[in-house]
Amino acid sequence: GAVVSQHPSRVICKSGTSVKIECRSLDFQATTMFWYRQFPKQSLMLMATSNEGSKATYEQGVEKDKFLINHASLTLSTLTVTSAHPEDSSFYICSASQGRTLTEAFFGQGTRLTVV
Amino acid sequence: DAKTTQPTSMDCAEGRAANLPCNHSTISGNEYVYWYRQIHSQGPQYIIHGLKNNETNEMASLIITEDRKSSTLILPHATLRDTAVYYCIVRGPDSSYKLIFGSGTRLLVRP
Repeated sequence: GAVVSQHPSRVICKSGTSVKIECRSLDFQATTMFWYRQFPKQSLMLMATSNEGSKATYEQGVEKDKFLINHASLTLSTLTVTSAHPEDSSFYICSASQGRTLTEAFFGQGTRLTVV
Repeated sequence: DAKTTQPTSMDCAEGRAANLPCNHSTISGNEYVYWYRQIHSQGPQYIIHGLKNNETNEMASLIITEDRKSSTLILPHATLRDTAVYYCIVRGPDSSYKLIFGSGTRLLVRP
């Protein structure tokens, strides 16, 4: 299957700082990317959908000013957690898909964020 | 909200077939059924998807009932490495092609 690379895989940051997570599609053009978060023993929760060149669409209850998403190219999307707090500690996962079609979406390996 | 219902957990013996059911009684005509699995602390892995015909690939088979209200994922010869959480997801244009995860089925493959 196609490869989606997420970086970093693990990050620890201090409360109040911002953290950027990158998601790259390595061998295909990802016109659509999804961002999820996952708390321990829970399922993945969709945070937002980003389409290349346009603003991200956030799910209800997700603060767009706190979780900044940029999808400036067909191979790269970034999620920035701004002014992080301990409750933002979670597993963040991206997924990339070739456009608004029903081709399969591929997932990155995830980023474990710990805010101390 | 997820449009699927799956058993919380299942187990099977190594080498035997694992049959994972999924109910999606409100599926619409243009929505596909997707299956992903997640091994602990990793991103989900795509397994298979289908619309109404049965599908098979190197990983699994997907059997969709004629009324499309339920499906079964079959791992023909389960191995210990198949222990994971399996997610059945309904996806289509009506939901903007989003992949909305439910709680999934935790499959334990016993030696």
